[in-house]
Amino acid sequence: EVQLVESGGGLVKPGGSLRLSCAASGFTFSSYSMNWVRQAPGKGLEWVSSISSSSSYIYYADSVKGRFTISRDNAKNSLYLQMNSLRAEDTAVYYCAREELIVVVPAAPSPSYYYYYMDVWGKGTTVTVSS
Amino acid sequence: SSELTQDPAVSVALGQTVRITCQGDSLRSYYASWYQQKPGQAPVLVIYGKNNRPSGIPDRFSGSSSGNTASLTITGAQAEDEADYYCNSRDSSGNHLGWVFGGGTKLTVL
Repeated sequence: EVQLVESGGGLVKPGGSLRLSCAASGFTFSSYSMNWVRQAPGKGLEWVSSISSSSSYIYYADSVKGRFTISRDNAKNSLYLQMNSLRAEDTAVYYCAREELIVVVPAAPSPSYYYYYMDVWGKGTTVTVSS
Repeated sequence: SSELTQDPAVSVALGQTVRITCQGDSLRSYYASWYQQKPGQAPVLVIYGKNNRPSGIPDRFSGSSSGNTASLTITGAQAEDEADYYCNSRDSSGNHLGWVFGGGTKLTVL
């Protein structure tokens, strides 16, 4: 069964740090880009960060750039999010999500096009930043 | 970064058809995908690409797009379809390739 399980959430004071983990199973983790997505209480989904399969490409939302660091260990089938300088507005459920890319090659002369989507999600881990 | 705009709330009578829309500049370059989220649960992918459903998603869910607008249609809405629905797409408006989510649409089935 394809599965993502997040861990590492908890209560932390403003300015503190926390490291989230996401354990992947049931698929070839090293073949997929991965993402962190968060959801503040009563709010919508917000993309946080993404990392390519070999860690060559890493992107962050402006709201976390310079404070959060995404990484992965393909040997351990694990994704991480190191969160520093935490703020109250970082309080949220943090989900890890697998990213899928499909390249569609139609008949010539039409150009190829791409489907990007997040097809597998974990159940999330809750981070609360409060004094 | 780009934004995706969704109506905050939509209602539909049981068995009727409802369309949920998502607008944004990023949709001119990338297809939207759609996610269903029920209270206390993780999001679930329901539509991706031009109009593709993952395994296990009922065929009453369909997707379409035109210009800067993507739509999710539920034909014959069921009580279990009551949920929040989010669109998202890649976003290359900044100096990187990120993602953007719509604000979500709360669907009520009457």
